[in-house]
Amino acid sequence: DSGVTQTPKHLITATGQRVTLRCSPRSGDLSVYWYQQSLDQGLQFLIQYYNGEERAKGNILERFSAQQFPDLHSELNLSSLELGDSALYFCASSVGTGFTGELFFGEGSRLTVL
Amino acid sequence: KNEVEQSPQNLTAQEGEFITINCSYSVGISALHWLQQHPGGGIVSLFMLSSGKKKHGRLIATINIQEKHSSLHITASHPRDSAVYICAAVNMEYGNKLVFGAGTILRVKS
Repeated sequence: DSGVTQTPKHLITATGQRVTLRCSPRSGDLSVYWYQQSLDQGLQFLIQYYNGEERAKGNILERFSAQQFPDLHSELNLSSLELGDSALYFCASSVGTGFTGELFFGEGSRLTVL
Repeated sequence: KNEVEQSPQNLTAQEGEFITINCSYSVGISALHWLQQHPGGGIVSLFMLSSGKKKHGRLIATINIQEKHSSLHITASHPRDSAVYICAAVNMEYGNKLVFGAGTILRVKS
């Protein structure tokens, strides 16, 4: 158990809809990272938050947004969903701001868009 | 060309064999991670390296910053080592973002 909790584990929805994925980091970790893993693109970094502030941005679409709340949990909002958004979405956490510390991954949220 | 390249893409080994997975990168990095992903999908961080060598149990990871190359070795491989192994480089040139290799699918047969 990594200590990182992601909900929901599975989600099936239709094109055009909006979903919210939630991540609770390991106790004491201030950074939360979101990643997308699809069959054709592999793992891609989406966005990082550190102590409530956006710290780094990767290949995140404009239809997607995220935030980190004062209790350090984070939400990833995906809107106007398309078939191609079907993927595993992982959250990871770490103590520091960069990627130079150990990363702890959640189990992932599997999104299926029909 | 991808910024992070892994080889081989697929690897089948017999139990007990010594295994090497390679990762090369074309950008300046501040660190490199090796990750393990089991068939269920969960990802576990194995190593984070910025220089030299690290060992944990039967796993050894090395990095040569000048040659832009890292290797993950598994000694005395076991069927439970069957997983996807992913290297991920911390790309300094884009504000320390993590760039992933495509992964190596390892199957260890008993």
